[in-house]
Amino acid sequence: AAGVIQSPRHLIKEKRETATLKCYPIPRHDTVYWYQQGPGQDPQFLISFYEKMQSDKGSIPDRFSAQQFSDYHSELNMSSLELGDSALYFCASSLVRQGNTYEQYFGPGTRLTVT
Amino acid sequence: GIQVEQSPPDLILQEGANSTLRCNFSDSVNNLQWFHQNPWGQLINLFYIPSGTKQNGRLSATTVATERYSLLYISSSQTTDSGVYFCAVLEIRSTLGRLYFGRGTQLTVWP
Repeated sequence: AAGVIQSPRHLIKEKRETATLKCYPIPRHDTVYWYQQGPGQDPQFLISFYEKMQSDKGSIPDRFSAQQFSDYHSELNMSSLELGDSALYFCASSLVRQGNTYEQYFGPGTRLTVT
Repeated sequence: GIQVEQSPPDLILQEGANSTLRCNFSDSVNNLQWFHQNPWGQLINLFYIPSGTKQNGRLSATTVATERYSLLYISSSQTTDSGVYFCAVLEIRSTLGRLYFGRGTQLTVWP
């Protein structure tokens, strides 16, 4: 079965640079979520999109922005990177439309290292 | 937001032993998922279990929604079971929103 695809899997950037993370949800899924997991921490919710509209927002820094495109893939843009942005970034997708289970399926993650 | 507490925080076992991990949550939920995070960082879906009992091989899970807790059972543990086990919930007022994660249980299985 198709899974959530994230690219790149690993990314190394320097401070103050910009990074773009991409997520391709499971086909026909209508909702995309982004989570950030710092070293030794549990995943923390950043932002989500339902049918290409922002549906929920967590503690996402103003330096970060995200969107969902017409083909349902999503991108997380991160500017003015800081050392503290080094983390594992997960994308998840779900099918929320009528009568579904709300189960979220996670991608393999993008490991971002800021030096 | 909803509070999620997992216990124990750390668990060390010898291969072949059984274990029980617990997840308590502070409010009614629409969704409860158990994940295994392997040493490479991947989050593996184990169970989607907002209520009831499910089994998958050596793993089983039970959620008692009315009492706001869930249990994950691992029988005949193997070294490949090592990693962090997370419980995550979606509060009942939300359908489009975030999962709240517990801090996880770090499981180490020795040969």
